[in-house]
Amino acid sequence: DIQMTQSPSSLSASVGDRVTITCQASQDISNYLNWYQQKPGKAPKLLIYDASNLETGVPSRFSGSGSGTDFTFTISSLQPEDIATYYCQQYDNLLLTFGQGTRLEIK
Amino acid sequence: EVQLVESGGGLVKPGGSLRLSCAASGFTFSNYSMNWVRQAPGRGLEWVSSISSGSSYIYYADSVKGRFTISRDNAKNSLYLQMNSLRAEDTAVYYCARGGRRWGQGTLVTVSS
Repeated sequence: DIQMTQSPSSLSASVGDRVTITCQASQDISNYLNWYQQKPGKAPKLLIYDASNLETGVPSRFSGSGSGTDFTFTISSLQPEDIATYYCQQYDNLLLTFGQGTRLEIK
Repeated sequence: EVQLVESGGGLVKPGGSLRLSCAASGFTFSNYSMNWVRQAPGRGLEWVSSISSGSSYIYYADSVKGRFTISRDNAKNSLYLQMNSLRAEDTAVYYCARGGRRWGQGTLVTVSS
């Protein structure tokens, strides 16, 4: 099974800061990686698919990069509405694995 | 509009069974693989099971293998999760999802005596 190691587990940043979250796969997953945002009581929302593609309607301050085993998710300028928990997720055909999540707070 | 609506959650005793349903609308259900994902209170997302569009391929997380059964009825645009031998650690909100883009609102399963 493919394991996903996401870091940090929590992060405190100021409005306007650049925020970076990393995710490492236990084996090569090419670019089969999604990034999600989840707010309390809500279903996850897809932000980035195939490692670097911005989902329709998602603000351009969100971006993703990487391939193989190492991936990065970036918010270029943190906004108050970005407070949420973020997850990476790999998809090896129909076998999925989520990262542990990163809880993002405003400093 | 694509909609996924889960139902069937509730309170069940340890060792009991429950069947979750997910009603799909707004897209050609039979063309898509589907997933169940759960989230225990205060915890992260955990993939539970996936089924291909024609039910030929089915996968389970190790934590539920042998206890849960995923199925679908393409004629009824519905996805199911039969959960047997439930444990306290199965307590979670269960989401059905079509890929990563479409998620239901979730249904809460509580396993407690």
